[in-house]
Parts: sequence; structure tokens; C-alpha cells
Amino acid sequence: QKEVEQDPGPLSVPEGAIVSLNCTYSNSAFQYFMWYRQYSRKGPELLMYTYSSGNKEDGRFTAQVDKSSKYISLFIRDSQPSDSATYLCAMRGEGGATNKLIFGTGTLLAVQP
Amino acid sequence: GAVVSQHPSRVICKSGTSVKIECRSLDFQATTMFWYRQFPKQSLMLMATSNEGSKATYEQGVEKDKFLINHASLTLSTLTVTSAHPEDSSFYICSARAVEVGTEAFFGQGTRLTVV
Repeated sequence: QKEVEQDPGPLSVPEGAIVSLNCTYSNSAFQYFMWYRQYSRKGPELLMYTYSSGNKEDGRFTAQVDKSSKYISLFIRDSQPSDSATYLCAMRGEGGATNKLIFGTGTLLAVQP
Repeated sequence: GAVVSQHPSRVICKSGTSVKIECRSLDFQATTMFWYRQFPKQSLMLMATSNEGSKATYEQGVEKDKFLINHASLTLSTLTVTSAHPEDSSFYICSARAVEVGTEAFFGQGTRLTVV
């Protein structure tokens, strides 16, 4: 079993739709949870960063972390064609062996105009 | 936000030659830098972690003599692919983590290496 599981998609939605992206994980030591957006042939761009459980909102993006279920989500409201990209979840622990980022495989999102 | 600059963005080299990739943190001091490799339609694979002034820590299966990492200052890390072969062709990405910024690592733009 992988430490982080993410549905690779592709996920295709119409413009304006609400998008839900999810990851599950198995390591209870993870404390920091990130979502990155990666356009083709570019480096990942940090979208959201959350410590421990809870919700965080930034514009059209909302990140949720449920540590009891080992489940994290990213919601995109009013999706735009420019949101079309690969979305990677990533997480890590406090230090030591868990200090490096563990990435999901990424979900390819296509927002149709 | 914090900026990490990676150079070159694309390089083509002949088999057997060496290639150096630079990763710079432009507006913060990066105590730790990470080097990843990404194959098409796959996620990022961590190659090594480097801390300023000390030897890099390589992930299992990564040849340290082939992928030389130097982190000589708080703003610069380099990855040198030595004696490159076609199977080394890939997308290499660096990231930098800074305590002062208070958030997670920021990524460079990536380097597309093609070995012919």
C-alpha cells in the first residue's frame, strides 16, 4: 500500500463547476498537508498549506484535513479553464524520517469552457 | 511569495557528458533543498535532500556518484548528472524549504534533460 493514494483521473468538468480532489494516507505521523498545482512541463506551485486537521480557505480554493479518517480534500469553486492542470497532494511529518514530502500521484483536471 | 529559480529549463547533451543544474532561492535563505525527478505522467520522486554546508542525503536506489549534489550556500544548490546516458533523460525539479517563510518548500521551474 502506498503511503499516499490519489486518483490519477483524468477528471473533466464544465466551467463553473465545483471540483473535489481527494487524497488518503496511511501514516498517522503526517502533520503538514499541501496541495500543489502543476502545469505541463513546469514545476509545482504551492496552492494550499494546512497544519493538522481543519479547513483553510483562499479565494476559490478550500482545503480540508480530517486526520481521524486520514483524508484530505481540495475544493475548487467556480472552476475556470485556467484551472486545468495536475493537482498533487503532499504531506509530511514533524521531523526525522517523516520530514520529507510524500506526494500523491496527482489528479489531472480538465475544465471545459 | 517565495521564488526559487532553476536553470537551465531545458538542456540536451551527448551521452557520456556531464550536466549541471542550478537551483537558487531568490528572496529567502534555504536551509534545506530537495531534488526530485519526475517521469511523464508520474509524480515526483525524491532523489536527495541537501542541507547547507553538509553532505546530501540520498534516497535508496539513487546513485550518489552519478548525481552529485552541492549546497555550498544558503541560496544555491547544484545537481550534476555525471556521465549522462539516455536513461537519465527526465524532468528534474528542485525545491527549497525556509524556516523564515513559515510555509512548505517552493519549487523551481524544472529542467528537462535530454541525453542523446
